[in-house]
Formats: sequence, C-alpha cells, structure tokens
Amino acid sequence: NAGVMQNPRHLVRRRGQEARLRCSPMKGHSHVYWYRQLPEEGLKFMVYLQKENIIDESGMPKERFSAEFPKEGPSILRIQQVVRGDSAAYFCASSPTPGNQPQHFGDGTRLSIL
Amino acid sequence: GENVGLHLPTLSVQEGDNSIINCAYSNSASDYFIWYKQESGKGPQFIIDIRSNMDKRQGQRVTVLLNKTVKHLSLQIAATQPGDSAVYFCAEKPEYGNKLVFGAGTILRVKS
Repeated sequence: NAGVMQNPRHLVRRRGQEARLRCSPMKGHSHVYWYRQLPEEGLKFMVYLQKENIIDESGMPKERFSAEFPKEGPSILRIQQVVRGDSAAYFCASSPTPGNQPQHFGDGTRLSIL
Repeated sequence: GENVGLHLPTLSVQEGDNSIINCAYSNSASDYFIWYKQESGKGPQFIIDIRSNMDKRQGQRVTVLLNKTVKHLSLQIAATQPGDSAVYFCAEKPEYGNKLVFGAGTILRVKS
C-alpha cells in the first residue's frame, strides 16, 4: 500500500507568489491533517479536514492560508502572497477515522521563499 | 496551555546499549500519546502509541511508559542500533479534538 504522498518535495517561490502543496492520503483514509515544521523544532498543527469539510483550522493563520480536501483528488494547502517567514517543511498526515489512533505522515514539502 | 517538552535534547548511546528518551506533557486532559521517529529529509514515522488508561505498552524492541501522576512519557529502545539514529518526538492528543501536539524532539546518536 502506498503511504501518504506529498508533492512537490521541494518548492521555491519568490515573495508575493502563491504556493500550492498537495497531499494524497493513504488508501482508505478520509481524514487529513496539515502540520508545519521549522528547523530544529517539533511539528505544529495547522488544519484538520475530512472529505469536503474543514473540521479544525485553529492552527492555520487567518490571512493568506487556506486548505481544501475535495471529494475527488488530493488535499491542497494554499499559501497566497508568500513571505520569508513561510519557509518551512509542511507535512500532511492521514488516518482512516478520527480519534485515538496514529496519524501517518508523508515526507513533506520543503518550501523556500526567496 | 499546550506544552509537550523533552528533558534531553541530545542523547548519545553506544551500539547495543538501551536508550531512554523522556518527555513531559502539561495537558492532563490528553488521552492518547504517540512516539514518532524522524530521519533527515523524511516525515515522522510512527513507532508506538499508548492510551491514557494504560501505563505501559511494548512493541518490537521498544517500550512506552506513561506516568499520568507526573505527566511523564518515556520511550525505551532495547539494544540500540545505528539505524535508530534519528530525532524522536513525543506527541499528545487532547481529549477533545484530533490534532497532535508535538514536543521539540530529542536527537538520538548511536555510536558504533
């Protein structure tokens, strides 16, 4: 079984451009979570989505950031008008159901802002 | 507040020795805990988990201990191998909600 797939693995953007990060969950998983990791730090929760619904976006900045998980296709994390401070590794995780069970992570997208 | 922290930022052990990585958490309402291993350039890899109604759980070469009285979590790795070298994170899940709150991480270095 394929794991959580994220692309691109590396993304370089100039300030003011848009960044789109994609995540395909594991087969059979309908719950997706996005986290951000700065160098030498732990992961910080951003948003939790179920198919077509945002369940918890408490960790996502109100401005410039949005996420979706459409009925068909991957989950998308979109960052508009990127700034240097957006440089980080963005990880996606998935689980088959919510609750007390592991979230399985992809290998992330490393976003660099010039 | 939400704060999961680690006592030892870097741990160096000799190959074959046992490793113990510690984690303190502050949210007494958390009901689920996970240990992840992260290698350079990769995402966190699930190692072992434990629910709050347990105090010990064993896997292959790994054991997780949970002490709810002092809000402490530990990961024990038996017969540590060079392939165990990585950053280890503990994470907690508050009782309500599904997000994981991660600690800062411990670097484990295995000397051959």
